[in-house]
Parts: sequence; structure tokens; C-alpha cells
Amino acid sequence: ETAVFQTPNYHVTQVGNEVSFNCKQTLGHDTMYWYKQDSKKLLKIMFSYNNKQLIVNETVPRRFSPQSSDKAHLNLRIKSVEPEDSAVYLCASRGQGQDTQYFGPGTRLLVL
Amino acid sequence: GQQVQQSPASLVLQEGENAELQCNFSSTATQLQWFYQSPGGSLVSLLSNPSGTKHTGRLTSTTVTKERRSSLHISSSQTTDSGTYLCAPDTNAYKVIFGKGTHLHVLP
Repeated sequence: ETAVFQTPNYHVTQVGNEVSFNCKQTLGHDTMYWYKQDSKKLLKIMFSYNNKQLIVNETVPRRFSPQSSDKAHLNLRIKSVEPEDSAVYLCASRGQGQDTQYFGPGTRLLVL
Repeated sequence: GQQVQQSPASLVLQEGENAELQCNFSSTATQLQWFYQSPGGSLVSLLSNPSGTKHTGRLTSTTVTKERRSSLHISSSQTTDSGTYLCAPDTNAYKVIFGKGTHLHVLP
């Protein structure tokens, strides 16, 4: 049963455009994450939030900005996309003190 | 930072054979998760095992914390086990580092 929802599933855009991805979890978790999975399938953490607060900000370009309105939502905006941003963006959540992360289905971005 | 090495990179088995997947990591981990990613891309947690041995169904994970290694044993493999198995040690709850994965293909 899906409990981490991501929209859109796919997005095709051109270089220089702005895109936004949404993530919502209905598990009541405090912590949410954004990961990027590239064409080689390597999964890398981008951001971690705990109760709307940014905790981890890996070395991602400044054109990436996460946004959290409440602990159930974590969105990702990319200003002026570039070809290397083509990837699958995965959102995940985890409860306080819990071991397991729950992943959304991902948003596949293609930059032409 | 945390480095994660998984081996083998890929593995082909006949249905019914067992698989042994290895994960080595460079820094002490407070938690270690094994994930399965289907060919369609969805990612699910299989096991959380920071130390010792843990079983679920046909899966057995053994983590030796001091040696910074973990293994995942899949017994009696099935074609539906095909996919990518990812190891992910935590240095803390907010920064999970993933290995490159082992790509398993089980032939009928």
C-alpha cells in the first residue's frame, strides 16, 4: 500500500526551464528525504528534513531548492534545469527512532 | 564520508539456487538497511540489521559491525527475486548512503 506519494510521475522539459516536484507522506513520519538516482542507478541523498527543518544539504547545485510546508510534505524545485538533471528523483520518509525508510515511486525527469 | 562497496556487481542464477550478496562500508554505522529495487524502479526495504543475524522469509542478513560488513543471503531464488539489491548504512538518521547495488537475474 503506497504511503509516500510523488507527483508528477514523469516530466519532460527543456534546458533553462523551472520544474517542481511534490512529495507527500501519510505515515505521520517526522523525517523526509530527497534522493537522486542517475542513469547508472546510483542513489544519492540530496536533502533531509526533520519536522520542516533542513538537516542535511548535500553538495547539490544552488538551482535545487527543497520546500517543506509541514512535516508531511517535502517539495523540490529546480530553477533553470540542465541536461545532467535528467534522473529519477525519489522521496522517502522515516519515523522518529524507526529503522525503515519508505520510498515513493519517484519522478522521472528528462531535460532536452 | 561513508563509502559503500557491494559485491558482486551482478549475479545470474538458475531458479532454486542460493545467492550471497556482500556489503562493505568504511565508517561505523548505527543502522544498516537492505533494499530491493524492482526492474520497474520501486524501492522497498527488506531488512534493517545493524548487527547480528536477522531472518525474514527466504532472506537472512548477517552484519558484523566491528568489521563493517553485512551480507544478504537469498535462499531458493525465484524469478521474481530479479532486480537490484542495495545496501545502505546510516551514519545518522538523516544521511543514508547507498551502495551501487548488486543486480540479480534469476533464470527460469
